[in-house]
Amino acid sequence: DTGVSQNPRHKITKRGQNVTFRCDPISEHNRLYWYRQTLGQGPEFLTYFQNEAQLEKSRLLSDRFSAERPKGSFSTLEIQRTEQGDSAMYLCASSSGLAEPNEQFFGPGTRLTVL
Amino acid sequence: EDQVTQSPEALRLQEGESSSLNCSYTVSGLRGLFWYRQDPGKGPEFLFTLYSAGEEKEKERLKATLTKKESFLHITAPKPEDSATYLCAVRLLTSYGNNRLAFGKGNQVVVIP
Repeated sequence: DTGVSQNPRHKITKRGQNVTFRCDPISEHNRLYWYRQTLGQGPEFLTYFQNEAQLEKSRLLSDRFSAERPKGSFSTLEIQRTEQGDSAMYLCASSSGLAEPNEQFFGPGTRLTVL
Repeated sequence: EDQVTQSPEALRLQEGESSSLNCSYTVSGLRGLFWYRQDPGKGPEFLFTLYSAGEEKEKERLKATLTKKESFLHITAPKPEDSATYLCAVRLLTSYGNNRLAFGKGNQVVVIP
């Protein structure tokens, strides 16, 4: 399967714990995005990477959130000291960054539940 | 502020009953409007990209159209497998070539056999 993959698919944690999610983009894609989606809402942009550089972060991304993309391949999103309000679906998307239309292709998401 | 509004929020259709979903947007300089399909518990699946007013794209029973202020997703003779949430998004070109998407809340469609 050459699509975007995310792990784990589901994560249940207690408030105050740290969690880390992984995203493997489509192999030839150099642009990677993280979005967050809550029930009944569309995905909201969190952060953007071009190769290994994190070039933009949403104001939604508090100091407890950190994302990395070492070597410009897979990416990780870590949430420290989780809060119940962090419960959501975390989606990763990638795109080629080359010729139009430059669609973003999404992974299956990681569902986070904070108890 | 850039906004995307989808209507209706929820729609129940009988199998074979055609209908249209609306996505209205207010952005300064559209750089692409995208439609995605999302099944429960899954990530959005890309359907269409539209760039300019008058453009149309088709895929099976789905047809997307674009005007200067809104887009429509027409579902012709829907089947139960067309039940899903349809998400509309506009691409916002910000700094450093960030083509981030701004999504609407979605149109939840249920097709009853």
